[in-house]
Amino acid sequence: GQNIDQPTEMTATEGAIVQINCTYQTSGFNGLFWYQQHAGEAPTFLSYNVLDGLEEKGRFSSFLSRSKGYSYLLLKELQMKDSASYLCAVSRNRDDKIIFGKGTRLHILP
Amino acid sequence: EAGVAQSPRYKIIEKRQSVAFWCNPISGHATLYWYQQILGQGPKLLIQFQNNGVVDDSQLPKDRFSAERLKGVDSTLKIQPAKLEDSAVYLCASSLDFRGLNTEAFFGQGTRLTVV
Repeated sequence: GQNIDQPTEMTATEGAIVQINCTYQTSGFNGLFWYQQHAGEAPTFLSYNVLDGLEEKGRFSSFLSRSKGYSYLLLKELQMKDSASYLCAVSRNRDDKIIFGKGTRLHILP
Repeated sequence: EAGVAQSPRYKIIEKRQSVAFWCNPISGHATLYWYQQILGQGPKLLIQFQNNGVVDDSQLPKDRFSAERLKGVDSTLKIQPAKLEDSAVYLCASSLDFRGLNTEAFFGQGTRLTVV
């Protein structure tokens, strides 16, 4: 089966850095996605990690450790518009099934 | 490039009624997903198509939910009869490749269903 865990809510201050962790257990792991979802909107793609290590994309970075079943999303120089839910999702290699965690609601304070 | 199109955006029905949602994926995308997202939770996969074949429907409540993907393009998701707990946003997503190659999923705006 699959199990994906991430914190339910986090709060951070504008201009700061925040790290959102995700742990997973799944059979046939292929890669790990991070999606951003603003309230009332569809999820939008942020990153996809297949190999171990850190991938940086502007203010956002994503890290993966396959051996530990662990990933994190790092957001730097936080802006108010970063207030959203951040969804960790696992892709399975035998059928491309994408399974989502419950999401982490990030609140940014001025 | 046009995104994933879904309709309707909103739907309110009474319990025991039926409802259908429509999805047009991005042109050329072989894989199509239907997700159910209850308020405050992550999307839950209901069914996954590869072209017009079902890859996974293990979490689809088949006594009341059905889905099809005619000709491997558009898809419809139907609920009959609806229950109060079906109130959720129904998201359609599509991705280009299969078998683990570039499987980023693009989402439509969703259909917000309220069952009263």
